[in-house]
Amino acid sequence: AQSVTQLGSHVSVSEGALVLLRCNYSSSVPPYLFWYVQYPNQGLQLLLKYTTGATLVKGINGFEAEFKKSETSFHLTKPSAHMSDAAEYFCAVRAPNSGGSNYKLTFGKGTLLTVNP
Amino acid sequence: DVKVTQSSRYLVKRTGEKVFLECVQDMDHENMFWYRQDPGLGLRLIYFSYDVKMKEKGDIPEGYSVSREKKERFSLILESASTNQTSMYLCASSSLFQATPYEQYFGPGTRLTVT
Repeated sequence: AQSVTQLGSHVSVSEGALVLLRCNYSSSVPPYLFWYVQYPNQGLQLLLKYTTGATLVKGINGFEAEFKKSETSFHLTKPSAHMSDAAEYFCAVRAPNSGGSNYKLTFGKGTLLTVNP
Repeated sequence: DVKVTQSSRYLVKRTGEKVFLECVQDMDHENMFWYRQDPGLGLRLIYFSYDVKMKEKGDIPEGYSVSREKKERFSLILESASTNQTSMYLCASSSLFQATPYEQYFGPGTRLTVT
């Protein structure tokens, strides 16, 4: 089974500071990894994804994440936070193995990012 | 762009009422999902469907049922609403034939309050 751990349910940064949101996963096979963002009272929007190939992936709004197999991590970063980045962020994992449930995602519990002026 | 729509953004129902939440996607996706989202618990899968009339239980199916009579529509039914079903409900869809097979596309959510 896959599981996802997001360290820190709430992260607070100053505008212009580095954003680092942590995600660790457990999977017995190479995973597909996703970061989603949820703005208040909205659904989830894909921020970026890792499937295969380059381990550093770039997403929308200046975010990027690096897949580190040895650390089973997929941390999300942005060099300079903007007020508009305030939202909840979810990490999700999918293992590309066969089976009757191979299209589900397992989500972390989310990290609420606050950006202070 | 994939569009997933949900019938209501906000809904208030009374305890014991039968509640229908509707979800429609316009991209011919085979897979559709219903999640509930609660603070501190993240997203929890209620039910999913991988084809018309096909469904499987997720992690928290108790108190819920689903219906998928057409490929584009997936309904979540609360047979007898209870206050502990007050939550945000999110619908999503995906396709094994899209560029990233497991990427899910989400609707805007329905915030249900049961009083």
